[in-house]
This record gives sequence, structure tokens and C-alpha cells, in this order.
Amino acid sequence: NAGVTQTPKFRILKIGQSMTLQCTQDMNHNYMYWYRQDPGMGLKLIYYSVGAGITDKGEVPNGYNVSRSTTEDFPLRLELAAPSQTSVYFCASSYRTSGGQETQYFGPGTRLLVL
Amino acid sequence: QKEVEQDPGPLSVPEGAIVSLNCTYSNSAFQYFMWYRQYSRKGPELLMYTYSSGNKEDGRFTAQVDKSSKYISLFIRDSQPSDSATYLCAMTAPPIYGGSQGNLIFGKGTKLSVKP
Repeated sequence: NAGVTQTPKFRILKIGQSMTLQCTQDMNHNYMYWYRQDPGMGLKLIYYSVGAGITDKGEVPNGYNVSRSTTEDFPLRLELAAPSQTSVYFCASSYRTSGGQETQYFGPGTRLLVL
Repeated sequence: QKEVEQDPGPLSVPEGAIVSLNCTYSNSAFQYFMWYRQYSRKGPELLMYTYSSGNKEDGRFTAQVDKSSKYISLFIRDSQPSDSATYLCAMTAPPIYGGSQGNLIFGKGTKLSVKP
């Protein structure tokens, strides 16, 4: 199993450009997440999905969009990139038991620089 | 008060030392507690997972939860240079207790450096 894969590893964007960060998991997990991690600020949840066709906002969704057409893929779309979106983006997937027990598995991250 | 507080460090110790990493939290509904390890320029990886109060041991690592004090700890015995990383605590409450979907709450992480 490859686990959670993310592309690209690194990208430089100009202000106002758009891009899609790709995330794929091969563990058949229903739950998928997008986080951003800024230095000294921990992980902040952007969007999450509980299954194909179902997505919801996290703590910091502004400036981002997601879709979930398959169980495996959960792309994150940045429209009109801004310097404030310079960050490291992590995708994660998990399974959750009926009692709420959950383990999240993270991808290697995408480093984004907006200039 | 933030939901989860974690001292960012950095924490520097000599090889072989016992390391204690801690988090405090405010939500009494949290029942699942995790420690993730994150090496530089890598994604977090799950290190330890505990449910409710008590201790859990895995090799050189011990996770401890004190729900009465809303305090969790990770102890590393015989620390090695390979343990140098950022350690993030994380916790969640089952939806039945008010935990919302997709809401794993992370601490900001403590950066640990183990010197040879």
C-alpha cells in the first residue's frame, strides 16, 4: 500500500493564480482531511469529507474548495492565490469505529509559496 | 483558553535522557488521545493512541492520560538522536459526547532535539 500520496511536493504560485493540490489514498478510508501547517501554529483543518460526495468546512476554509467524487481522491482547489496561503498542506485519511475511535494517516505534504 | 495547549519548546536533551512531553486540554468530553511524531519536512505519523485515563507503554514510549487534571504526557526513555522531531498531541470526543465530525484537535507541537 502506498498510503496517502500528495502531488506536487512543492509549488510556487503568483498572486491571483489558481491550482489544485492532489491527494489519493489506497486504504479504502471513508474519511479524508485537508490541513495547513504554518510555523509554530500547529495543524488547522481546512475541509474534510466523510465519504464520496460529502464534504464540509473545517476551521479555515476561506479561499479553498474541495470535491470528493471517489473514495480514493480528495483534491483541494485554491482560487486566486494570496500570500496568506503560503503554507505546508497535508492531506490525511482515516477510518472511524462506531465508538468514535479514529486513526489519521498523513501524506508527505505539499509546500506552497505564493509570491 | 485554547482547547489544547502544548509547550512549543524547543526542548534539547542529551542522548539517554528521559523526555517528558505534555499537553493540557479544556474539553472534558475528549476521550481519545494520540501522540504524533513529525520529522522535519515530513507528514505526522501516529506514535501512540490511548483511550480514557491510564498508561500505555510501547517500547521506550509511555503515554499517560489524567482526565481528572485534563493532562496528557508522553515519556521517552533512553532517548536517541533518531527521536529528534516535533511531537504533536491530538485528541477527539465521540460525536455522542459532542465531538463534531472531522474534528481531531491538535496541539501546536513540541520540537525535541536529542544530542549525541
